[in-house]
Amino acid sequence: AQKVTQAQTEISVVEKEDVTLDCVYETRDTTYYLFWYKQPPSGELVFLIRRNSFDEQNEISGRYSWNFQKSTSSFNFTITASQVVDSAVYFCALSDPNNFNKFYFGSGTKLNVKP
Amino acid sequence: DGGITQSPKYLFRKEGQNVTLSCEQNLNHDAMYWYRQDPGQGLRLIYYSQIVNDFQKGDIAEGYSVSREKKESFPLTVTSAQKNPTAFYLCASSILIRKGYGYTFGSGTRLTVV
Repeated sequence: AQKVTQAQTEISVVEKEDVTLDCVYETRDTTYYLFWYKQPPSGELVFLIRRNSFDEQNEISGRYSWNFQKSTSSFNFTITASQVVDSAVYFCALSDPNNFNKFYFGSGTKLNVKP
Repeated sequence: DGGITQSPKYLFRKEGQNVTLSCEQNLNHDAMYWYRQDPGQGLRLIYYSQIVNDFQKGDIAEGYSVSREKKESFPLTVTSAQKNPTAFYLCASSILIRKGYGYTFGSGTRLTVV
């Protein structure tokens, strides 16, 4: 069965600190996709990144970076030099093996960045 | 600009009433989805549709109904059979390509039973 675990319910940091959001997933499939979404207070989920199971290269996009490790079934997300605008709930998601357009979401991590 | 429009943003329902949440997209996406979000929980799939006039139940379909008469529209009805309807409802759409392109989400409707 597909499952995504985000063990950190809420994290608080001070602006300019680095912060890592953890995501651990479970799947028996060899082909799958992982995603991170950001949900600001407005409510709309914003797509951040997609990673397929055959590409373990880490990715960096500005202050954001992602560490994908199949050996530990983890897809962690790091924000460097956090800013107040990063405050949001962040969701990790895993694709359904039979329908790549269907996803399983973790419970989310609420990030509070204080000035 | 292309996107997904959900309305209303806030909705109050009396017990025993049916209510319909609207979702419209102008992205020309084939697939549309309804998710429910409860505090401290992830999103749970209610229904999804990959083509017009066809839809499938998700993980928590009981007490909900949908229709897909037009490609652009995927309304969700919360019926009186849904015992705990107070939640945040998110509509999403996606391209139907077998590569996991991910969703575009609407801004959500917050439903409260009064």
